[in-house]
Amino acid sequence: GENVEQHPSTLSVQEGDSAVIKCTYSDSASNYFPWYKQELGKRPQLIIDIRSNVGEKKDQRIAVTLNKTAKHFSLHITETQPEDSAVYFCAASRGGGYNKLIFGAGTRLAVHP
Amino acid sequence: DVKVTQSSRYLVKRTGEKVFLECVQDMDHENMFWYRQDPGLGLRLIYFSYDVKMKEKGDIPEGYSVSREKKERFSLILESASTNQTSMYLCASSPWGASGELFFGEGSRLTVL
Repeated sequence: GENVEQHPSTLSVQEGDSAVIKCTYSDSASNYFPWYKQELGKRPQLIIDIRSNVGEKKDQRIAVTLNKTAKHFSLHITETQPEDSAVYFCAASRGGGYNKLIFGAGTRLAVHP
Repeated sequence: DVKVTQSSRYLVKRTGEKVFLECVQDMDHENMFWYRQDPGLGLRLIYFSYDVKMKEKGDIPEGYSVSREKKERFSLILESASTNQTSMYLCASSPWGASGELFFGEGSRLTVL
């Protein structure tokens, strides 16, 4: 079945460093790849997404890259800040009306001052 | 601002009890989802619904059922709760159509003793 693998499971960086989280997906028909951030005790919230017709997308300090041939996509956070500490989930979807997402297992990012 | 409300933040039930988890959204979204969140396993889809009285199994439907009698309300039912159903349950909604953001509720933490 459809599967999304996410690495690493935990990531610890110093404030100001960059952080990279990687995901691979199994369903070649996937065409939508969002990233969600979940702060402690809060609900997951969308932070950025990318569609299959685009190779890279940036929004201030965060960026996503997509390699459809290799079926992997990555989240890049530059100049990390303590408020970036959270669990990050990648997901993949075939699109269409259902908008059904398959999530990765999550990465717990800790940014140390 | 989209609001997805889950009726109970914390529940404690006994093995064998019937459990109802309620979710209401106020944005007239067609799609509604129930996910289960466990450490190291990410968000796993239990069931989803794309219309009133319509439901589709997700990846882990065993031991669960759902009900969608009104567009704004999606209920998750544990017919006979078991200890391995102790978890955080997240409801989400999204509009029908091109892939887009899922809006999550705050979550319901269920403990089965």
